Amino acid sequence: KNQVEQSPQSLIILEGKNCTLQCNYTVSPFSNLRWYKQDTGRGPVSLTIMTFSENTKSNGRYTATLDADTKQSSLHITASQLSDSASYICVVSGEPGANNLFFGTGTRLTVIP
Amino acid sequence: EPEVTQTPSHQVTQMGQEVILRCVPISNHLYFYWYRQILGQKVEFLVSFYNNEISEKSEIFDDQFSVERPDGSNFTLKIRSTKLEDSAMYFCASDLQGRAATNEKLFFGSGTQLSVL
Repeated sequence: KNQVEQSPQSLIILEGKNCTLQCNYTVSPFSNLRWYKQDTGRGPVSLTIMTFSENTKSNGRYTATLDADTKQSSLHITASQLSDSASYICVVSGEPGANNLFFGTGTRLTVIP
Repeated sequence: EPEVTQTPSHQVTQMGQEVILRCVPISNHLYFYWYRQILGQKVEFLVSFYNNEISEKSEIFDDQFSVERPDGSNFTLKIRSTKLEDSAMYFCASDLQGRAATNEKLFFGSGTQLSVL
């Protein structure tokens, strides 16, 4: 069964600290993996997209890694800011088709001063 | 960065009533989608639309749902007879080349929070 699991469910960190969010998936075949940031009451915004051949991709203070062999990805946030408080959603694409995007339930990150 | 626009941001309706959720996709995009997210749950795919017809739909998208592109800019989702379990955040999305499973960047709107009473 195609599934995407994220951990932790929620995380609270101090401003300026780093954190790492995890994503494990069982989607097969695999096309790509995306990380989205979703602010409360807003739609998801794309942070990174990685294909099978990419094992790391950065977008500013966000760095995503992908291990396609173990089917794991992580999102590392460096020097967190209050504006990083949001849900971070891992989305894995299977076979081509809009119905083959598999969403995780997200990690709710809260950055406190 | 270009945006997908959705209206209204919140919609409250009585069970059994019809609602229409509106979306304005990014102007040069050709593929449009509706997703929904029940509170505390995952985002779920509803339907994709290209060239004025549905290209894919999920099991959720039953006969009470319909989509339309009534003019060159709007993309609507109609729920004919709402049920309590239709309460959710509904997201419109669009992309340029379609096949949301490729490396194409998928742009989401801010969503319409639908509450069915």
